[in-house]
Amino acid sequence: NAGVTQTPKFRVLKTGQSMTLLCAQDMNHEYMYWYRQDPGMGLRLIHYSVGEGTTAKGEVPDGYNVSRLKKQNFLLGLESAAPSQTSVYFCASEDSYTEAFFGQGTRLTVV
Amino acid sequence: RKEVEQDPGPFNVPEGATVAFNCTYSNSASQSFFWYRQDCRKEPKLLMSVYSSGNEDGRFTAQLNRASQYISLLIRDSKLSDSATYLCVVSPGDSGGSNYKLTFGKGTLLTVNP
Repeated sequence: NAGVTQTPKFRVLKTGQSMTLLCAQDMNHEYMYWYRQDPGMGLRLIHYSVGEGTTAKGEVPDGYNVSRLKKQNFLLGLESAAPSQTSVYFCASEDSYTEAFFGQGTRLTVV
Repeated sequence: RKEVEQDPGPFNVPEGATVAFNCTYSNSASQSFFWYRQDCRKEPKLLMSVYSSGNEDGRFTAQLNRASQYISLLIRDSKLSDSATYLCVVSPGDSGGSNYKLTFGKGTLLTVNP
């Protein structure tokens, strides 16, 4: 049972490049989340999804897009990366009332 | 008022000390409550769920006060290995509807010193 898997684990981008982060869960969870974590800032919610085909904006959505075409996958896209998007990105999934499971994180550096 | 607010910390305590973390939440309809632990450069992991009756797991005790919308975590006999960031988490459960989302506090950093 893999739980929540994020790919890639590390990435260096140049300013203006695009990339997609993939989050996959095998627990049949309805809810999925993308967070970013910066030193001293805690987890900040970027976007989330309450089910297949649905997405919603979180606290810091600007510069990011998401898609949930399949229940098990939640994709986070950066269309034109900026140095301010250098961060550690975490994906999580859960069902209401249950424990949330996190991926191991993606360390992204934009130069 | 922030949705979930925690003691900002950081907390520096000696081994063997008792330390308490507090957390308040703004949504009175919230249904589920948790404490998570996050080690440096790692993903958060569930430490314990918080029930209305309070619950204990070894040296850890969690309490919920729905009237005051307040959650606490008590760590007794602190160990070096307890050093981590502790995150308070609130879920609306079924009351969230289409606005459902799990909400995390900013976390409180604990350092236990020898």
